[in-house]
Amino acid sequence: GQQVMQIPQYQHVQEGEDFTTYCNSSTTLSNIQWYKQRPGGHPVFLIQLVKSGEVKKQKRLTFQFGEAKKNSSLHITATQTTDVGTYFCAGSFGTASKLTFGTGTRLQVTL
Amino acid sequence: DARVTQTPRDKVTEMGQEVTMRCQPILGHNTVFWYRQTMMQGLELLAYFRNRAPLDDSGMPKDRFSAEMPDATLATLKIQPSEPRDSAVYFCASGLGTIHTGELFFGEGSRLTVL
Repeated sequence: GQQVMQIPQYQHVQEGEDFTTYCNSSTTLSNIQWYKQRPGGHPVFLIQLVKSGEVKKQKRLTFQFGEAKKNSSLHITATQTTDVGTYFCAGSFGTASKLTFGTGTRLQVTL
Repeated sequence: DARVTQTPRDKVTEMGQEVTMRCQPILGHNTVFWYRQTMMQGLELLAYFRNRAPLDDSGMPKDRFSAEMPDATLATLKIQPSEPRDSAVYFCASGLGTIHTGELFFGEGSRLTVL
């Protein structure tokens, strides 16, 4: 079936360090979304990328969609303790199709 | 402040019992998703509705699970009979899908424990 893989599974950083999570699919994606889930919470939408090579920024977060639309990344600059949580990518493989979530990357930030 | 509402928030039941989880999507949203989250499997898609029609339930164990949308304001997920391996957090999410899936708004989840 169509799967979306994410690496790393877990990352522990010191506050102020950068963090990147990567999302990969063997099949071309029609679009990709990113969500953040705080411990004990529910996933919350961050962004959607649609175009090949697209780059979007939200304050310290930078999102990229690969040229082949098979991979994506989320980069956080100068992490803060408020960035703690699990980051999921979620992809669609066709128009108006279901959203398949990646395996998630759990980020831990310590002072 | 529009939100997806799920009930119950927590459910503890014994193996073999029927469990029904309910979801009220955000008014006007045309897509509804049911996901199951466990530590081992992450977020698994169980069912997907668009305009109340079931489009994909390939991730759902058909022998014991069923998902329905009796009307635009209610989605249900039923497990009968429940088993300990069904213990998980079940999330409902709704969205306004067009050509692309669009942003999903998640409910707070129903935590199910089957003893």
